[in-house]
Amino acid sequence: AQSVTQPDIHITVSEGASLELRCNYSYGATPYLFWYVQSPGQGLQLLLKYFSGDTLVQGIKGFEAEFKRSQSSFNLRKPSVHWSDAAEYFCAVGAGSGGYQKVTFGTGTKLQVIP
Amino acid sequence: DGGITQSPKYLFRKEGQNVTLSCEQNLNHDAMYWYRQDPGQGLRLIYYSQIVNDFQKGDIAEGYSVSREKKESFPLTVTSAQKNPTAFYLCASSKASSGALAKNIQYFGAGTRLSVL
Repeated sequence: AQSVTQPDIHITVSEGASLELRCNYSYGATPYLFWYVQSPGQGLQLLLKYFSGDTLVQGIKGFEAEFKRSQSSFNLRKPSVHWSDAAEYFCAVGAGSGGYQKVTFGTGTKLQVIP
Repeated sequence: DGGITQSPKYLFRKEGQNVTLSCEQNLNHDAMYWYRQDPGQGLRLIYYSQIVNDFQKGDIAEGYSVSREKKESFPLTVTSAQKNPTAFYLCASSKASSGALAKNIQYFGAGTRLSVL
C-alpha cells in the first residue's frame, strides 16, 4: 500500500518570497502524484499532477512541482508568493492496479503569508 | 456551471440520530467519493462508487452508509453507530477511466460541517 508524508504542518512566508512545500511518498513503483489546494471552509482544487514524462510539471496559479524518483519526493514550489496563496495544500498519491486502486492524501501543509 | 453541490453547509446531529448529507454533481462523472476531514489528519476515504448501484467501502466506513441510485447523486448517511461524527465531510467526483481509478483527477464540493449537539 502507498503512503504520503507532508512533514511540515505549518509554513509561514513573506509575500513575494519563494515557497517550497515538501511531499514524500512510499510506493514500490512510480505512482500518480497530485497537489491540491484548499481555501478555508472550501473543497479541494487540483493545482497540478504528474503521471509520467518530464519530471518538472507546471500547474495553475504559478505553481510547479518536481518529481524526484531517487528521493521519492514531489515538492511544490512557487517563486513569489502572493497573499491569496494562503491556504492548505495537500499532496496525494494514486497507486495500485486492477481492482485495487486508491488515492491517498497527505495530512496537509497550512501556508500563512505575511505582508 | 458544472460542479458538485453539497448540502447543507452546516448540520447538527442529536444523540442517536441518523443524518444524511447530500451530494449532487452535474459533471457527468462516473465515480463519486466521500471523505472525512479532521484537523491534522488530511482526508480519509469513507466510501466510493464507480458506477450506479455499486459502491465500495473506504478506509473508515464503519458508522456510515451510502447509496448510488442515480449517476448524479451520492448521499451519505451518518448513522448513530458513528460515535465521533464531528468533522468536515467532502464529496468528490471523477471521470473514471477504465482501470485507472488511481489517476483520476477529483473534483470537490464545498463540504458539509457536521457537529453534535
